[in-house]
Amino acid sequence: DQQVKQNSPSLSVQEGRISILNCDYTNSMFDYFLWYKKYPAEGPTFLISISSIKDKNEDGRFTVFLNKSAKHLSLHIVPSQPGDSAVYFCAASVRFGAGTRLTVKP
Amino acid sequence: ETGVTQSPTHLIKTRGQQVTLRCSSQSGHNTVSWYQQALGQGPQFIFQYYREEENGRGNFPPRFSGLQFPNYSSELNVNALELDDSALYLCASSFGLPGPYGYTFGSGTRLTVV
Repeated sequence: DQQVKQNSPSLSVQEGRISILNCDYTNSMFDYFLWYKKYPAEGPTFLISISSIKDKNEDGRFTVFLNKSAKHLSLHIVPSQPGDSAVYFCAASVRFGAGTRLTVKP
Repeated sequence: ETGVTQSPTHLIKTRGQQVTLRCSSQSGHNTVSWYQQALGQGPQFIFQYYREEENGRGNFPPRFSGLQFPNYSSELNVNALELDDSALYLCASSFGLPGPYGYTFGSGTRLTVV
């Protein structure tokens, strides 16, 4: 039951550049899509969400884009900072993707 | 405002034993969900409780059971432990279904079955 998929287990970017994390889903009935961030030894923390009726939501350095026809969403972080290094999970309803480990190099 | 607290933080059990994990929800939250996160994987939904009733369950066998109490705290019980049950167990709370503001997660209980 992989309704939410993150196909890239890891991503490495240089400080100041853009980080793009991707997520695909299979169920068209999801109302919201969310991104969580997880540091080691901590639980995931909510980062940003987007309603299924929107195609973009922005919060500071973080923007989430939703492409409903492709059942795809992406999280853009601009500019990336070393403190952004963490595992990022895409989620819809109660379903989570496998996560992408982002490393931002100074 | 207190967050979600889980106890214990670490636990070692023997195969075949039973375990109970505990969770205190964030103040004001009436919904609690439990997740299992194996190494290198995303959180897998076990079940959700709303106002003391189970109202959603993932693909986990009946030996995984839970309770939610009137103060919205919760327990996860696992019977007949198997080696594959070794994982991080996360508790998450929300007010109603996790809509645009998602869940508040605890730091988890690391269960090792030997």
